Amino acid sequence: AQSVTQLGSHVSVSEGALVLLRCNYSSSVPPYLFWYVQYPNQGLQLLLKYTSAATLVKGINGFEAEFKKSETSFHLTKPSAHMSDAAEYFCAVSERSGGYQKVTFGTGTKLQVIP
Amino acid sequence: SQTIHQWPATLVQPVGSPLSLECTVEGTSNPNLYWYRQAAGRGLQLLFYSVGIGQISSEVPQNLSASRPQDRQFILSSKKLLLSDSGFYLCAWSVKEAGASTGELFFGEGSRLTVL
Repeated sequence: AQSVTQLGSHVSVSEGALVLLRCNYSSSVPPYLFWYVQYPNQGLQLLLKYTSAATLVKGINGFEAEFKKSETSFHLTKPSAHMSDAAEYFCAVSERSGGYQKVTFGTGTKLQVIP
Repeated sequence: SQTIHQWPATLVQPVGSPLSLECTVEGTSNPNLYWYRQAAGRGLQLLFYSVGIGQISSEVPQNLSASRPQDRQFILSSKKLLLSDSGFYLCAWSVKEAGASTGELFFGEGSRLTVL
């Protein structure tokens, strides 16, 4: 069974500092991996996805993530945090199960950006 | 382009009352549809998914039910709400075709349910 672990339910960074949100996964087959962002009282929006092409994936708003099979990790980074990056971030893994792609989410990491 | 809408956005209901949350998708056909519930600190819990009209699968036993009366309509219901049903409910859709689907989900705006 697939699973996702996000280390740190809350992360605080200063504006302009590096953002690093950690995600480790387990999957019995090569997975598809995703990062989603959620602003308060809104649905989730896709930041980026890994679908077995390039291991370094670039997404929206300056975020990127690197798929490391040996470490079963898919950490999300951004070189310089902006106040607008304050939100909750979810890592997810997808596997084919029955007639659909079953998606499992991590418990989320709330990012606080300090001025 | 594809859009997904769910309503109502917020709902306050007494314990024991019925519930109906509705979700519709536009701009695509034959999608997979999902209902998730989000509780604080617990991430997203998949409640139901549907691969076609009238085809509903439940992931967890609970006080809720789902129906898909039309291809792009997904309804979450309850006959009698419990306090534990409070939460933020999210509808989502994904591409169905095996060769085209990565599992990427497209979410609605969410419905916040408070049961008092």
